[in-house]
Amino acid sequence: SYVLTQPPSVSVAPGQTARITCGGNNIGSKSVHWYQQKPGQAPVLVVYDDSDRPSGIPERFSGSNSGNTATLTISRVEAGDEADYYCQVWDSSSDHNYVFGTGTKVTVL
Amino acid sequence: EVQLVESGGGLVQPGGSLRLSCAASGFTFSSYWMSWVRQAPGKGLEWVANIKQDGSEKYYVDSVKGRFTISRDNAKNSLYLQMNSLRAEDTAVYYCARVELTYDSARFDYWGQGTLVTVSS
Repeated sequence: SYVLTQPPSVSVAPGQTARITCGGNNIGSKSVHWYQQKPGQAPVLVVYDDSDRPSGIPERFSGSNSGNTATLTISRVEAGDEADYYCQVWDSSSDHNYVFGTGTKVTVL
Repeated sequence: EVQLVESGGGLVQPGGSLRLSCAASGFTFSSYWMSWVRQAPGKGLEWVANIKQDGSEKYYVDSVKGRFTISRDNAKNSLYLQMNSLRAEDTAVYYCARVELTYDSARFDYWGQGTLVTVSS
């Protein structure tokens, strides 16, 4: 089955840039989506199809995807960005399997 | 405004059964694939099952095949998950999620608040 690997944690100072990676075999050939989950809350879609943002998501959230790594970038980090972040792809060739990454805890210092 | 509201969670003994429900509003329910996604305590997200708009296609993660059944009632704008032969490892918050599916991409664009299922004796 397809595996997505994320770093367990990323720490960043307010106002700086956080980069969260999502590694997978030839992930650049797939569409990657990113979710933000704050404690006790449901996940929220923040980036879809590698680099698009849903309405209401700040421009500070951006994404890229190439080769074996997709990246979520959070610019000008704020205290409210502290959360868990998950990447996700869809494997249409394997019983419609939806695969999530292992998750990354972003801590704002 | 899109709303998904889950219900039906609770404490159940190993081997027992539970039926989760998800009430949808704010969009044309019959036009979307729908899914259940779960999250064990302190763990990551895991897709469980999904169902096509008319219920004609259903898919499951291997660990629940033969035990869980996803269904929907478009007249009632409702999604269901019948869970049988429950195991301790099924303990999780279960989320109902709307699926935005294109020819080469599928994402969960709206989520409910979740309902907790605890399997324990």
